[in-house]
Amino acid sequence: AQTVTQSQPEMSVQEAETVTLSCTYDTSESDYYLFWYKQPPSRQMILVIRQEAYKQQNATENRFSVNFQKAAKSFSLKISDSQLGDAAMYFCARSTGANSKLTFGKGITLSVRP
Amino acid sequence: ETGVTQSPTHLIKTRGQQVTLRCSSQSGHNTVSWYQQALGQGPQFIFQYYREEENGRGNFPPRFSGLQFPNYSSELNVNALELDDSALYLCASSTWTISTADTQYFGPGTRLTVL
Repeated sequence: AQTVTQSQPEMSVQEAETVTLSCTYDTSESDYYLFWYKQPPSRQMILVIRQEAYKQQNATENRFSVNFQKAAKSFSLKISDSQLGDAAMYFCARSTGANSKLTFGKGITLSVRP
Repeated sequence: ETGVTQSPTHLIKTRGQQVTLRCSSQSGHNTVSWYQQALGQGPQFIFQYYREEENGRGNFPPRFSGLQFPNYSSELNVNALELDDSALYLCASSTWTISTADTQYFGPGTRLTVL
């Protein structure tokens, strides 16, 4: 089975500091896409960042950036200057196949300490 | 621009009943995917609809079925409900082409409880 693994169930970060969330994945395809989604307690899944596997440059969106290591099949999310509103469940996901279905990891709960 | 909407927000059913969940896709999107998210887990792909036809299915039994309408909105139907069907059901819309995977944008979900 082609899986997405998030091995850390929970993490905590001090407000204004930096935190890195880990993700590894398995795929036999060469062309695929990777995503980080955020799901606050209100439950709506929100896109944080997206990475195309064919691009060597790591994606960046304001305070969010990724470290994409294709050979190692690793895709970590770095959140800089953490804010209280960053507290949520974060899911790593891979998109492959003709229908681009998403395969999600189990998620990681991030708490932010004031 | 209108985002993805889902109805109802919450639903309580009893075992053996049937349920229909609804989703309106984001403006400009032609594809709808449905996911089931059990408590504390990541979403699991149920199926996807493109141009009113099923465009891929996950590991779910046939009692999970769907429809897509000409305006790209969609329904998820579940027959013969089981206790394990209790979950958050998420709808996601996107613009699908054969050459690229566009980002899926999610609705707020429908919380289904089966008693």
